[in-house]
Amino acid sequence: NAGVTQTPKFQVLKTGQSMTLQCAQDMNHNSMYWYRQDPGMGLRLIYYSASEGTTDKGEVPNGYNVSRLNKREFSLRLESAAPSQTSVYFCASSDQGISGNTIYFGEGSWLTVV
Amino acid sequence: AQSVTQPDIHITVSEGASLELRCNYSYGATPYLFWYVQSPGQGLQLLLKYFSGDTLVQGIKGFEAEFKRSQSSFNLRKPSVHWSDAAEYFCAVGPSGGYNKLIFGAGTRLAVHP
Repeated sequence: NAGVTQTPKFQVLKTGQSMTLQCAQDMNHNSMYWYRQDPGMGLRLIYYSASEGTTDKGEVPNGYNVSRLNKREFSLRLESAAPSQTSVYFCASSDQGISGNTIYFGEGSWLTVV
Repeated sequence: AQSVTQPDIHITVSEGASLELRCNYSYGATPYLFWYVQSPGQGLQLLLKYFSGDTLVQGIKGFEAEFKRSQSSFNLRKPSVHWSDAAEYFCAVGPSGGYNKLIFGAGTRLAVHP
């Protein structure tokens, strides 16, 4: 079982460059999420998609865009990368609602913006 | 404001010793509480969760946590730590509505000495 797969695992960008982080899940989950993890700050939600065709901002959406391509795939795009976006990015998926459901995380994408 | 506090940034224990990781939360409604573990280079894995009922919750890998409403705490414990438990541990709190509202603590990094 692949679970949640994200690519690339490592990326170095120059300031101003753009890139897209790809995420796919094979658990038929309705909801998908993008988080960033910074030292001493835990995980913070960037964007989420409650279901196919919908996306909503999380706690830290500025500088990012997302696309819910289909039920399986949820991509995160940095249009003009900034050093402040150096972070570890995690994609996750779950069924809707916490009760009775579990959120599953990918292995992370390490992004450095120089 | 809703928040999760993990007072200990780093903890070092000897293999075989007992472990307690602290988690305090501030939340307006009845919270759903979680502990996740993140091994180096990996995504987050659910250790255990509390929704209701028995306030002592058993999880995977021999971990348990106790919900104390009066103290707004959800501390994680293990009677005997193994070297493979070295990882970062995150406490999280959220409403029943969905994982998009999950709030993470900053994490506690556990080191285990042989």
